[in-house]
Amino acid sequence: GDSVTQMEGPVTLSEEAFLTINCTYTATGYPSLFWYVQYPGEGLQLLLKATKADDKGSNKGFEATYRKETTSFHLEKGSVQVSDSAVYFCALSEGTTDSWGKLQFGAGTQVVVTP
Amino acid sequence: EAGVAQSPRYKIIEKRQSVAFWCNPISGHATLYWYQQILGQGPKLLIQFQNNGVVDDSQLPKDRFSAERLKGVDSTLKIQPAKLEDSAVYLCASSSLWGVSTDTQYFGPGTRLTVL
Repeated sequence: GDSVTQMEGPVTLSEEAFLTINCTYTATGYPSLFWYVQYPGEGLQLLLKATKADDKGSNKGFEATYRKETTSFHLEKGSVQVSDSAVYFCALSEGTTDSWGKLQFGAGTQVVVTP
Repeated sequence: EAGVAQSPRYKIIEKRQSVAFWCNPISGHATLYWYQQILGQGPKLLIQFQNNGVVDDSQLPKDRFSAERLKGVDSTLKIQPAKLEDSAVYLCASSSLWGVSTDTQYFGPGTRLTVL
Protein backbone atom coordinates (compact mmCIF):
# COMPACT_ATOMS: atom_id res chain seq x y z
CA GLY A 1 0.00 0.00 0.00
CA ASP A 2 0.92 3.66 -0.17
CA SER A 3 3.15 5.07 2.52
CA VAL A 4 5.10 8.20 3.41
CA THR A 5 8.31 8.31 5.44
CA GLN A 6 9.76 11.53 6.77
CA MET A 7 12.68 12.32 8.97
CA GLU A 8 12.15 12.22 12.68
CA GLY A 9 12.24 15.30 14.80
CA PRO A 10 12.58 17.46 16.61
CA VAL A 11 14.77 19.49 14.33
CA THR A 12 16.23 22.43 16.21
CA LEU A 13 17.67 25.36 14.27
CA SER A 14 18.83 28.87 14.85
CA GLU A 15 17.06 31.73 13.11
CA GLU A 16 18.27 32.27 9.52
CA ALA A 17 19.57 28.70 9.24
CA PHE A 18 18.81 26.45 6.27
CA LEU A 19 16.07 23.88 6.77
CA THR A 20 15.66 20.54 5.02
CA ILE A 21 13.06 17.93 5.93
CA ASN A 22 13.37 14.68 4.03
CA CYS A 23 10.31 12.87 2.72
CA THR A 24 10.14 9.71 0.64
CA TYR A 25 7.09 7.81 -0.52
CA THR A 26 5.85 4.56 -1.99
CA ALA A 27 2.83 4.55 -4.26
CA THR A 28 1.29 2.30 -6.86
CA GLY A 29 0.43 5.06 -9.32
CA TYR A 30 1.29 8.70 -9.85
CA PRO A 31 0.30 10.52 -6.70
CA SER A 32 0.09 14.17 -5.91
CA LEU A 33 2.39 15.23 -3.09
CA PHE A 34 1.72 17.74 -0.34
CA TRP A 35 3.36 19.45 2.60
CA TYR A 36 1.00 20.48 5.39
CA VAL A 37 2.02 22.54 8.43
CA GLN A 38 0.50 22.53 11.90
CA TYR A 39 1.31 25.56 14.03
CA PRO A 40 0.87 25.24 17.80
CA GLY A 41 -2.80 25.19 18.72
CA GLU A 42 -3.97 25.38 15.12
CA GLY A 43 -5.28 23.01 12.46
CA LEU A 44 -3.41 21.61 9.48
CA GLN A 45 -2.76 24.07 6.68
CA LEU A 46 -1.61 23.32 3.19
CA LEU A 47 1.91 24.70 2.71
CA LEU A 48 2.58 23.59 -0.86
CA LYS A 49 1.87 20.83 -3.33
CA ALA A 50 3.13 19.27 -6.56
CA THR A 51 1.00 17.17 -8.85
CA LYS A 52 3.44 15.60 -11.30
CA ALA A 53 7.08 14.64 -11.64
CA ASP A 54 9.61 17.51 -11.65
CA ASP A 55 6.98 20.01 -10.46
CA LYS A 56 8.21 22.41 -7.80
CA GLY A 57 5.79 23.61 -5.17
CA SER A 58 6.60 26.82 -3.32
CA ASN A 59 5.03 29.04 -0.69
CA LYS A 60 6.23 31.40 2.07
CA GLY A 61 9.87 30.78 1.13
CA PHE A 62 9.48 26.99 1.31
CA GLU A 63 10.13 24.79 -1.71
CA ALA A 64 9.82 21.10 -2.58
CA THR A 65 10.43 19.30 -5.87
CA TYR A 66 8.59 16.13 -6.90
CA ARG A 67 11.38 13.63 -7.73
CA LYS A 68 9.89 10.50 -9.27
CA GLU A 69 13.26 8.81 -9.80
CA THR A 70 14.07 8.96 -6.09
CA THR A 71 10.42 8.93 -4.91
CA SER A 72 11.14 11.99 -2.79
CA PHE A 73 9.61 15.36 -1.95
CA HIS A 74 12.05 17.07 0.40
CA LEU A 75 11.04 20.39 1.97
CA GLU A 76 13.56 23.23 2.06
CA LYS A 77 13.76 26.81 3.25
CA GLY A 78 16.81 28.98 2.92
CA SER A 79 16.42 31.12 6.04
CA VAL A 80 14.02 30.10 8.78
CA GLN A 81 12.32 32.38 11.26
CA VAL A 82 11.04 31.73 14.77
CA SER A 83 7.54 31.84 13.31
CA ASP A 84 8.35 28.73 11.24
CA SER A 85 8.34 26.64 14.41
CA ALA A 86 5.67 24.02 13.77
CA VAL A 87 5.07 20.38 12.86
CA TYR A 88 5.43 19.63 9.16
CA PHE A 89 3.64 16.72 7.49
CA CYS A 90 4.42 15.18 4.13
CA ALA A 91 1.44 13.52 2.44
CA LEU A 92 0.36 11.91 -0.80
CA SER A 93 -2.93 11.45 -2.58
CA GLU A 94 -3.87 9.11 -5.38
CA GLY A 95 -7.03 9.56 -7.43
CA THR A 96 -7.61 5.85 -7.89
CA THR A 97 -10.62 3.71 -7.09
CA ASP A 98 -8.75 2.39 -4.06
CA SER A 99 -7.80 5.80 -2.71
CA TRP A 100 -10.52 8.20 -3.89
CA GLY A 101 -8.18 11.13 -3.29
CA LYS A 102 -7.64 10.49 0.42
CA LEU A 103 -4.42 11.73 2.01
CA GLN A 104 -1.76 9.37 3.34
CA PHE A 105 0.39 11.24 5.87
CA GLY A 106 3.87 10.79 7.25
CA ALA A 107 4.42 10.90 11.00
CA GLY A 108 5.34 14.57 11.02
CA THR A 109 8.55 16.43 11.82
CA GLN A 110 8.65 19.01 14.58
CA VAL A 111 10.78 22.05 13.80
CA VAL A 112 11.93 24.37 16.55
CA VAL A 113 13.60 27.64 15.55
CA THR A 114 15.41 29.56 18.26
CA PRO A 115 16.30 33.29 18.15
CA GLU B 1 -14.49 32.45 3.01
CA ALA B 2 -15.26 30.65 6.26
CA GLY B 3 -13.13 27.61 7.01
CA VAL B 4 -14.05 24.19 8.31
CA ALA B 5 -15.73 24.46 11.71
CA GLN B 6 -15.54 21.80 14.40
CA SER B 7 -16.93 21.50 17.90
CA PRO B 8 -16.21 20.96 20.65
CA ARG B 9 -12.51 21.84 20.67
CA TYR B 10 -11.80 19.71 23.72
CA LYS B 11 -13.57 16.80 25.38
CA ILE B 12 -12.68 14.67 28.38
CA ILE B 13 -14.70 11.53 29.10
CA GLU B 14 -14.44 8.30 31.06
CA LYS B 15 -13.90 5.04 29.21
CA ARG B 16 -17.12 3.32 28.12
CA GLN B 17 -18.88 6.68 27.81
CA SER B 18 -20.10 8.00 24.49
CA VAL B 19 -19.06 11.19 22.69
CA ALA B 20 -19.99 13.02 19.50
CA PHE B 21 -18.11 15.48 17.35
CA TRP B 22 -19.58 17.92 14.87
CA CYS B 23 -18.15 19.30 11.63
CA ASN B 24 -19.37 21.97 9.24
CA PRO B 25 -17.34 21.94 6.00
CA ILE B 26 -16.60 24.84 3.70
CA SER B 27 -19.75 25.86 1.84
CA GLY B 28 -20.13 23.98 -1.43
CA HIS B 29 -17.55 21.31 -0.67
CA ALA B 30 -18.93 17.95 -1.69
CA THR B 31 -16.31 15.75 -0.04
CA LEU B 32 -15.84 15.48 3.71
CA TYR B 33 -13.22 13.50 5.63
CA TRP B 34 -12.75 12.50 9.25
CA TYR B 35 -9.18 11.78 10.36
CA GLN B 36 -7.82 10.50 13.67
CA GLN B 37 -4.48 11.93 14.79
CA ILE B 38 -2.85 10.11 17.70
CA LEU B 39 -0.13 12.04 19.52
CA GLY B 40 3.16 11.81 17.65
CA GLN B 41 1.61 10.37 14.49
CA GLY B 42 0.23 11.68 11.24
CA PRO B 43 -3.52 11.85 10.67
CA LYS B 44 -5.20 8.61 9.60
CA LEU B 45 -8.38 8.59 7.55
CA LEU B 46 -11.41 7.15 9.32
CA ILE B 47 -14.19 7.85 6.83
CA GLN B 48 -14.80 9.77 3.64
CA PHE B 49 -18.16 11.12 2.40
CA GLN B 50 -19.11 12.23 -1.08
CA ASN B 51 -22.18 14.42 -0.50
CA ASN B 52 -24.15 12.28 1.98
CA GLY B 53 -22.84 8.92 0.81
CA VAL B 54 -19.93 6.98 2.32
CA VAL B 55 -17.05 6.44 -0.12
CA ASP B 56 -14.51 4.82 2.18
CA ASP B 57 -14.93 3.65 5.77
CA SER B 58 -12.45 0.80 5.66
CA GLN B 59 -10.42 2.20 8.59
CA LEU B 60 -13.42 3.03 10.79
CA PRO B 61 -13.80 0.72 13.84
CA LYS B 62 -17.45 0.09 13.13
CA ASP B 63 -18.11 -1.73 16.38
CA ARG B 64 -17.78 1.57 18.24
CA PHE B 65 -17.49 4.40 15.73
CA SER B 66 -20.27 5.75 13.54
CA ALA B 67 -20.59 8.78 11.31
CA GLU B 68 -23.25 10.44 9.26
CA ARG B 69 -23.55 13.39 6.96
CA LEU B 70 -27.14 14.52 6.78
CA LYS B 71 -28.20 16.44 3.68
CA GLY B 72 -24.65 16.38 2.40
CA VAL B 73 -23.48 19.27 4.59
CA ASP B 74 -22.75 18.90 8.33
CA SER B 75 -21.33 15.69 9.70
CA THR B 76 -21.27 13.98 13.09
CA LEU B 77 -18.75 11.40 14.28
CA LYS B 78 -19.73 9.31 17.31
CA ILE B 79 -17.82 6.94 19.55
CA GLN B 80 -19.75 4.55 21.76
CA PRO B 81 -18.33 3.15 23.98
CA ALA B 82 -14.99 4.95 24.14
CA LYS B 83 -11.73 3.19 24.93
CA LEU B 84 -8.49 4.60 26.29
CA GLU B 85 -6.83 4.17 22.88
CA ASP B 86 -9.39 6.53 21.32
CA SER B 87 -7.58 9.47 22.93
CA ALA B 88 -6.56 11.56 19.93
CA VAL B 89 -7.33 14.67 17.93
CA TYR B 90 -10.22 14.17 15.51
CA LEU B 91 -9.83 16.27 12.39
CA CYS B 92 -12.47 17.11 9.85
CA ALA B 93 -11.49 18.17 6.34
CA SER B 94 -13.36 19.07 3.18
CA SER B 95 -12.58 19.45 -0.49
CA SER B 96 -14.51 20.67 -3.47
CA LEU B 97 -13.79 17.69 -5.69
CA TRP B 98 -14.00 13.93 -5.25
CA GLY B 99 -11.51 11.25 -6.12
CA VAL B 100 -9.09 13.81 -7.56
CA SER B 101 -5.57 13.47 -6.27
CA THR B 102 -4.62 17.07 -7.04
CA ASP B 103 -7.41 18.61 -4.99
CA THR B 104 -6.60 20.46 -1.75
CA GLN B 105 -8.19 19.37 1.50
CA TYR B 106 -8.98 22.08 4.04
CA PHE B 107 -8.81 21.11 7.70
CA GLY B 108 -10.70 22.27 10.74
CA PRO B 109 -8.99 23.01 14.09
CA GLY B 110 -9.79 19.53 15.41
CA THR B 111 -11.35 18.14 18.58
CA ARG B 112 -8.93 16.88 21.20
CA LEU B 113 -10.45 13.86 22.97
CA THR B 114 -9.05 12.52 26.23
CA VAL B 115 -10.43 9.21 27.51
CA LEU B 116 -9.70 8.53 31.19
